[in-house]
Amino acid sequence: QEQLVQSGAEVKKPGSSVRVSCKASGDTFNRHVISWVRQAPGQGLEWMGGIIPIFGTSDYAQKFQGRVTITADQSTSTVYMELRSLKSDDTAVYYCVRGPPGGDLLQAYFDFWGQGTLVTVS
Amino acid sequence: EIVLTQSPGTLSLSPGERATLSCRASQSISSGYLAWYQQKPGQAPRLLIYGASSRATGIPDRFSGSGSGTDFTLTISRLEPDDFAVYSCQQYGSSPLTFGGGTKVEIK
Repeated sequence: QEQLVQSGAEVKKPGSSVRVSCKASGDTFNRHVISWVRQAPGQGLEWMGGIIPIFGTSDYAQKFQGRVTITADQSTSTVYMELRSLKSDDTAVYYCVRGPPGGDLLQAYFDFWGQGTLVTVS
Repeated sequence: EIVLTQSPGTLSLSPGERATLSCRASQSISSGYLAWYQQKPGQAPRLLIYGASSRATGIPDRFSGSGSGTDFTLTISRLEPDDFAVYSCQQYGSSPLTFGGGTKVEIK
């Protein structure tokens, strides 16, 4: 069964960093793009960037360039998203999401979503 | 960046009625790379449609997508109680990938 299991909620101070993990099933990790999408309270969805886990190739939305890093650990089939220099408007639910198999990092729709991780910056 | 504008913001309908949701792009989306998602309160979004008109696995055929270029539509032929939710479109034809602001379909 396909799964994307994310780490738990975080409360952070402005200026600090947060790292959210996403453990994927083997097939997902080996065959799919995994991206991160966030949703601020009462707001729409926002794509942050993604990674091809088996290659470690990543790309990011320009808005987050220099502030976000997405990495993958093949030994545990886990993808990580680190966001630095946190501000209050980074308060959001962060989702890891799966793109189609063998897909392009920058041409992906998302057919499977993690449960979400609430990051509160205060 | 392609900006997606969804309309209306809120759609008030009764079960059994037809829902028509619009997603308009600020520039043409290549190859019809547009997806639709359904989201209920406290839940992650669920993929409904990709490639403008292809239903995702397990999605009932009362959901259909159409359109090309800059104008896309999601139609729910007969609303069921479980369909009242927020619907968002997403383009994946150019970077950055972007989402619309959503349309809420509420019970009238």
